[in-house]
Amino acid sequence: ETGVTQTPRHLVMGMTNKKSLKCEQHLGHNAMYWYKQSAKKPLELMFVYSLEERVENNSVPSRFSPECPNSSHLFLHLHTLQPEDSALYLCASSQDGRQGGNTEAFFGQGTRLTVV
Amino acid sequence: GDSVTQMEGPVTLSEEAFLTINCTYTATGYPSLFWYVQYPGEGLQLLLKATKADDKGSNKGFEATYRKETTSFHLEKGSVQVSDSAVYFCALIPLGGYNKLIFGAGTRLAVHP
Repeated sequence: ETGVTQTPRHLVMGMTNKKSLKCEQHLGHNAMYWYKQSAKKPLELMFVYSLEERVENNSVPSRFSPECPNSSHLFLHLHTLQPEDSALYLCASSQDGRQGGNTEAFFGQGTRLTVV
Repeated sequence: GDSVTQMEGPVTLSEEAFLTINCTYTATGYPSLFWYVQYPGEGLQLLLKATKADDKGSNKGFEATYRKETTSFHLEKGSVQVSDSAVYFCALIPLGGYNKLIFGAGTRLAVHP
């Protein structure tokens, strides 16, 4: 298996549920990202992990909790979500540019989340 | 701060028409520039890129030239097809850092037979 894989592809959850989104990359990258894509809004960068350390957290509510156990896996733990959190959540990976060389990010197909 | 501005959509064209989607950026120095495409129900795919001034990125008949003097990276295609219908995102990676992508708002393209 190659590229960036996200599971599940679709998720419906109630506001009191706890669920997790999973992302796995098979590209040998050392940086991983969570983006949120809502209807009629630009892509929002949520979290960045580089070398398994969280390097960016863009004022994301605490009901979203990321976890990066190793350079190939990234999770987004969800709890007590609101209907406005319904969106497409995209995971991406790349090389950390601090070692030199700008390289593009590769994206997974996303998890379509609906909060009811 | 660094930012990307692209033309609002939707852009509606007939098959075989010429396509231009404008993109301008604000950044320090020479960022890397990208166009990503998102087909319905899918994630983002890299379409093309350019890493220095006057570079031309090209792929699948699409082209974009890195213009430092106008801070632009406009996407063009000579003859669009129905299968090109998608949302197109212009993006940049600032110099240094960990390759964080900064995206424009996206432009939806609809091509009709």
